[in-house]
Amino acid sequence: AQSVTQPDIHITVSEGASLELRCNYSYGATPYLFWYVQSPGQGLQLLLKYFSGDTLVQGIKGFEAEFKRSQSSFNLRKPSVHWSDAAEYFCAVGAQSGGGADGLTFGKGTHLIIQP
Amino acid sequence: ETGVTQTPRHLVMGMTNKKSLKCEQHLGHNAMYWYKQSAKKPLELMFVYNFKEQTENNSVPSRFSPECPNSSHLFLHLHTLQPEDSALYLCASSHGSGSDTQYFGPGTRLTVL
Repeated sequence: AQSVTQPDIHITVSEGASLELRCNYSYGATPYLFWYVQSPGQGLQLLLKYFSGDTLVQGIKGFEAEFKRSQSSFNLRKPSVHWSDAAEYFCAVGAQSGGGADGLTFGKGTHLIIQP
Repeated sequence: ETGVTQTPRHLVMGMTNKKSLKCEQHLGHNAMYWYKQSAKKPLELMFVYNFKEQTENNSVPSRFSPECPNSSHLFLHLHTLQPEDSALYLCASSHGSGSDTQYFGPGTRLTVL
């Protein structure tokens, strides 16, 4: 069974500073990997995903993530954060079952706080 | 309406009540999902439907009963819930393969008294 670890429960970053959120996964094959963001009172919005090809993926709102198979990691980065980036960030893994719809396995999330 | 909608947005119920959560997707997707989001815990997959057929039940107690009458609508029927069932219930939809993006609704905040 797959699993996802987000080791940082809270991260505080100054506005304009760079950001890296960590995600490690456990899965036997090449996984499908996702980063979602959740603002208070909202559902989850996809930032980016990886399923094959270039290991550096670009997403919305200036985010990017790099898939590193050797480290079983899929860390999320942004070169300069904005106050509006304050939210909860979730990493998720999907299985390559080949059979159709599969639910995602999520990490516990990282709460991002932006300092002015 | 666009995307995935959920009603009601907030629900308070007693342990003996019966209520239903509704999810509707306007994206032409074939798969729909229920997730539970509790404080301090990761999102937990509850049920998966693909082309109206239930393909996954993640060991969910029988007091939660899903229904998928068509690919656009998904319900979660609730009865004799426990206080620990209080959580945010999120619905999602996708085209139906593992690499597809799942689009989430805003959730229903459920409180069981």
